[in-house]
Amino acid sequence: EAGVAQSPRYKIIEKRQSVAFWCNPISGHATLYWYQQILGQGPKLLIQFQNNGVVDDSQLPKDRFSAERLKGVDSTLKIQPAKLEDSAVYLCASSLRQGGGKLFFGSGTQLSVL
Amino acid sequence: GQQLNQSPQSMFIQEGEDVSMNCTSSSIFNTWLWYKQDPGEGPVLLIALYKAGELTSNGRLTAQFGITRKDSFLNISASIPSDVGIYFCAGQNNYGQNFVFGPGTRLSVLP
Repeated sequence: EAGVAQSPRYKIIEKRQSVAFWCNPISGHATLYWYQQILGQGPKLLIQFQNNGVVDDSQLPKDRFSAERLKGVDSTLKIQPAKLEDSAVYLCASSLRQGGGKLFFGSGTQLSVL
Repeated sequence: GQQLNQSPQSMFIQEGEDVSMNCTSSSIFNTWLWYKQDPGEGPVLLIALYKAGELTSNGRLTAQFGITRKDSFLNISASIPSDVGIYFCAGQNNYGQNFVFGPGTRLSVLP
């Protein structure tokens, strides 16, 4: 069974530029999460989708971050414009269902903002 | 918001020793997950716990869901060099909300 796919693996941009990350969850997984992991910390949720609907985006900085999952399968996370403090690993995860399930992660995208 | 604490923050052990770490919360959770993360990789799921008091093993790893539902424990027996990494706990409450992660325990194994 294929795992969660993410691309790119690494991205270096300058502040005020825009960047996009892509995620394809495990086949059949209805719930998709984007997490931000700053060096030395645990992952922090940015947004949670159930199929193509947003369940929780309370911690997403909406002035610069956006995410979509139009067909309920793959998802894109965008930052525009990027700030220095956005340097982090962006992790995508998926689970079969919303409650009591198992969360499976992709390898992440390491973003450096210069 | 919900917060998880993990202890210890880091530990250095000799190869072959057993390891214990824990995760505590001020809130009740209905699901506990334990992950290991290697540098440059995403967290890999080790053990999932769904019931208070549950004890689950995965090879040399054993995890327990605390009876208060506010804590969980992970034990590693007979540690080996490939056990090196950061171990994260994650909890989910009974409303199907997002998983909250702890700050991690960094494990180093000395030969």
